[in-house]
Amino acid sequence: SQQGEEDPQALSIQEGENATMNCSYKTSINNLQWYRQNSGRGLVHLILIRSNEREKHSGRLRVTLDTSKKSSSLLITASRAADTASYFCATVIERSNYKLTFGKGTLLTVNP
Amino acid sequence: NAGVTQTPKFQVLKTGQSMTLQCAQDMNHNSMYWYRQDPGMGLRLIYYSASEGTTDKGEVPNGYNVSRLNKREFSLRLESAAPSQTSVYFCASTEEGRGKTQYFGPGTRLLVL
Repeated sequence: SQQGEEDPQALSIQEGENATMNCSYKTSINNLQWYRQNSGRGLVHLILIRSNEREKHSGRLRVTLDTSKKSSSLLITASRAADTASYFCATVIERSNYKLTFGKGTLLTVNP
Repeated sequence: NAGVTQTPKFQVLKTGQSMTLQCAQDMNHNSMYWYRQDPGMGLRLIYYSASEGTTDKGEVPNGYNVSRLNKREFSLRLESAAPSQTSVYFCASTEEGRGKTQYFGPGTRLLVL
């Protein structure tokens, strides 16, 4: 079964609004990563947060990690139509030879 | 730098045919991966290679074989394609096999009739 599960499965917002996506996982992790996938394209890495970090920022992106709840959130502020994409969380578990395990993704649609 | 390249971009096979998906990276990365992506399923790891000369099974290896030809190239072979292997296949690489950022190719869309 998938280690990471994103919530919601789909999210539709207006340009300028903030978008929040959540990811829950089951076992202890080494780090958690967020990726973006535009339709018909490969995945692009957005941000990595380590298990001993609680929050990280990159431009309009803010990621939080709560290891006690085994959850992470990705916040995109002041969204743009170009942010329309699928967003995936991926976890790295220490016992898994450091392979990534992906969730099923959140489809974000930003309406102009 | 081209990053991670994959060929072909699209392929149609008949059940029972074989084919090899090619992947190459020019970033001098040690580790390379093959994933498949199906609607509503996210990405699932087929095989990976932590370094040149080694390969290991991932979550869904049945029906596939891989070859790490050299540090740059990692190929995925379907010996006898089945309709269940219709999917989008992604190759990725990372600088070391320890959970670092992965860089993805553009994908190969495979349709097995």
